Amino acid sequence: EIVMTQSPATLSVSPGERATLSCRASQSISSNLAWYQQKPGQAPRLLIYGASTRATGISARFSGSGSATEFTLTISSLQSEDFAVYYCQQYNNWPPALTFGGGTKVEIK
Amino acid sequence: QVQLVQSGAEVKKPGASVKVSCTASGYTFTGYYMHWVRQAPGQGLEWMGWINPNSGGTNYAQKFQGRVTMTRDTSISTAYMELSRLTSDDTAVYSCVRNVYCTNGLCYYFDYWGQGTLVTVSS
Repeated sequence: EIVMTQSPATLSVSPGERATLSCRASQSISSNLAWYQQKPGQAPRLLIYGASTRATGISARFSGSGSATEFTLTISSLQSEDFAVYYCQQYNNWPPALTFGGGTKVEIK
Repeated sequence: QVQLVQSGAEVKKPGASVKVSCTASGYTFTGYYMHWVRQAPGQGLEWMGWINPNSGGTNYAQKFQGRVTMTRDTSISTAYMELSRLTSDDTAVYSCVRNVYCTNGLCYYFDYWGQGTLVTVSS
């Protein structure tokens, strides 16, 4: 099983600042990585797939980068609606054996 | 619009089984893989497996092999997830999740989620 490790567990950021979230895979997953945002009481929302492609309707404030085992989600200028938990998910296998990272909570500083 | 509507909350005793349904609307049910993901209280997301609604083929996470069964009824556009031999560790919100439209390559990520079904396992 591919283990996904996210860091930090909690990130305290002031509105308007940049947030950088990390996700590491236990083995190479090429660019087969997605990022999701989850707000309390809501289902997760797809932000990024293919490590760097924004999903439909996602603000350009969100950008993804990386490949192989190291990935980053950057939120360029945090807005109030961006405070949430973010998960990475790999999908490198066939048949799918999908795994999520443990999540990073982005909170208001 | 795409909707995934799940069955209601369940309370089960340890050792019992639970079966959660997920009724899809707004798209061609057989055209998209359906996954099941769970989230224990205050915890992260855990993928359980998927079903190909067209063929009925399934693939389960190793952790749940032998304990989970995913099925579907195409006549009513409904997917089911049954989990047996429940323990308190299975207390979680269970969600059906639609795979994005995928014609080739690796694209196993999700665009629509059900509202979630809380399963509580308690004696």
